[in-house]
Amino acid sequence: GESVGLHLPTLSVQEGDNSIINCAYSNSASDYFIWYKQESGKGPQFIIDIRSNMDKRQGQRVTVLLNKTVKHLSLQIAATQPGDSAVYFCAESRGSGTYKYIFGTGTRLKVLA
Amino acid sequence: EAGVAQSPRYKIIEKRQSVAFWCNPISGHATLYWYQQILGQGPKLLIQFQNNGVVDDSQLPKDRFSAERLKGVDSTLKIQPAKLEDSAVYLCASSLDRGNEQFFGPGTRLTVL
Repeated sequence: GESVGLHLPTLSVQEGDNSIINCAYSNSASDYFIWYKQESGKGPQFIIDIRSNMDKRQGQRVTVLLNKTVKHLSLQIAATQPGDSAVYFCAESRGSGTYKYIFGTGTRLKVLA
Repeated sequence: EAGVAQSPRYKIIEKRQSVAFWCNPISGHATLYWYQQILGQGPKLLIQFQNNGVVDDSQLPKDRFSAERLKGVDSTLKIQPAKLEDSAVYLCASSLDRGNEQFFGPGTRLTVL
């Protein structure tokens, strides 16, 4: 069935290195994608979003890349810090008018000192 | 600006009992969402309100779950009777309008014994 999923459940990176978290989606009708960060005991927090008419979007230390050909989304975090340790979710929104978010399973990012 | 408020933060009940969760969205936000997040999974939308009307409740188990947003501000989600598989974190989110960024509350962790 249609789904949003992540390739790696856990990613460990050294402090200061760059992190790349991947996400695959299956519905070519999805036109809006969002990355959320969820720390333990808290609700998801918006990080960055991208619309399907874009391939790349940059924020502060974060970059989202969208490859519509292979239905792939990635989140790059530059100079990973201990505070980046959390679970990261991608979500997709399908079609105009619905605005319904479908979340993936999530990837846990562990930053090693 | 105050965020989305939820109460209680934790609840433990026995199966077949009833439980209710409360959410106070960000002031002025017309759209309110209830999500269920089972451990190790991404949030799943249960119901979406636009002001005091239901926009989407396609994934709400209506035989046991109910939700209301009578005055278009606060909302309650009720489960009656609870089952073991209802153990999860229940997240409330709000957005200025449909299609705008969703802000999440801290969630209510429900344990059904």
